[in-house]
Amino acid sequence: GAVVSQHPSWVICKSGTSVKIECRSLDFQATTMFWYRQFPKQSLMLMATSNEGSKATYEQGVEKDKFLINHASLTLSTLTVTSAHPEDSSFYICSASRQPRGYEQYFGPGTRLTVT
Amino acid sequence: DAKTTQPPSMDCAEGRAANLPCNHSTISGNEYVYWYRQIHSQGPQYIIHGLKNNETNEMASLIITEDRKSSTLILPHATLRDTAVYYCIVIEDTGRRALTFGSGTRLQVQP
Repeated sequence: GAVVSQHPSWVICKSGTSVKIECRSLDFQATTMFWYRQFPKQSLMLMATSNEGSKATYEQGVEKDKFLINHASLTLSTLTVTSAHPEDSSFYICSASRQPRGYEQYFGPGTRLTVT
Repeated sequence: DAKTTQPPSMDCAEGRAANLPCNHSTISGNEYVYWYRQIHSQGPQYIIHGLKNNETNEMASLIITEDRKSSTLILPHATLRDTAVYYCIVIEDTGRRALTFGSGTRLQVQP
């Protein structure tokens, strides 16, 4: 099956700093990638939809100036958490859809962010 | 997208079949039933999907009732590595849309 990677797999940063998370589709082109966030013992919540070459679409309640998304190529999307706060500590997961095959979305392994 | 209802948790003995139910009584004619699972601290993994007919692949079988209002995911011979949260998702197979994850069923395979 298709492979999606994320880097880093875990990161610890200090409050007020920024951290960038990369999501790559390794063996297919993904015109659309999705970013999810998952808090402990909760389900995945969609943060934003990333479309190659255009601005991301953010879900209600997600600050676009805080969570910067860039989808500069068909195999790479990045999520930058700016001015991180401890409440941003979470598990961030990306997924990619290999069009036009529909919804066999392929998920990355996730990135554990801890803000101290 | 149609709402789904799953039991919060289930146990299964290793080597036995695990049958995970999902209710989706408001499913529309062009919506598919998808199953994903999430092993602890990993990204979700696609398992199987179907529209009307029963489906089988190397991981599992999907049984969809004739009225399509419910389905069952079957893991024929559960192993300890199948311990995970299983999500049943109903969605149209069109466009570029994200998946909406409910609470899922936490399956614990017992040795």
